Amino acid sequence: DIRMTQSPSTLSAYVGDRVTITCRASQTINNWLAWYQQKPGKVPKLLIYEASDLQTGVPSRFRGSGSGTEFTLTISSLQPDDFATYFCQEYGTYSRTYGQGTKVEIK
Amino acid sequence: EVQLVESGGGLVKPGGSLRLSCGVSGFTLSSYSMNWVRQRPGKGLEWVSFISSSSTYKYYAESVEGRFTISRDNAKNSLFLQMNNLRGEDTAVYYCAKSRIPDPSSLIFSNAPNDNWGQGTLVTVSS
Repeated sequence: DIRMTQSPSTLSAYVGDRVTITCRASQTINNWLAWYQQKPGKVPKLLIYEASDLQTGVPSRFRGSGSGTEFTLTISSLQPDDFATYFCQEYGTYSRTYGQGTKVEIK
Repeated sequence: EVQLVESGGGLVKPGGSLRLSCGVSGFTLSSYSMNWVRQRPGKGLEWVSFISSSSTYKYYAESVEGRFTISRDNAKNSLFLQMNNLRGEDTAVYYCAKSRIPDPSSLIFSNAPNDNWGQGTLVTVSS
């Protein structure tokens, strides 16, 4: 099975900061990579699919990039509503593995 | 409006069984692959199982292979997860989730993430 490794596990930032989260796959997944946001007690919300396509309704400050085995999620200017945990997921294989998550905290 | 509502969770002893259901509305279930995803308390997301729109393809995580069975009844707008021989490590909130795009045919499924999720149902395995 593919392993998805996110870094960092926790990130502390100020409102207005530019934030980058990395997700690495143990083997190439082409662009079959999604990013989700989850807030405490809430269900995951799809932000990005196919590595860089913005899901309908998601603010443009979220940007996904990368291909092959290395991917990034960038939030250009962190807003109060963005403090949450972010997960990457590969969906190019049957195992559809998630990364372990990156918690974005208020600094 | 797309809605997914899970049910069937609860407390069960190790070795026991549960059947989860997911009722859907607001989209044509028969066109979409579906997934079950779980989240252990305080932990991350773990994909559990996948079923294509016509049930042609079914996949399972290694951790549940041979113990869990996914199925669907498109006519009744429902998705199911039969869980047998439950273990403590199966304790989690179980979500059903819809693929973002429809399958192109009954023999091919779309590579797609999940765009709509239910609220989840809690399964607790404990003696």
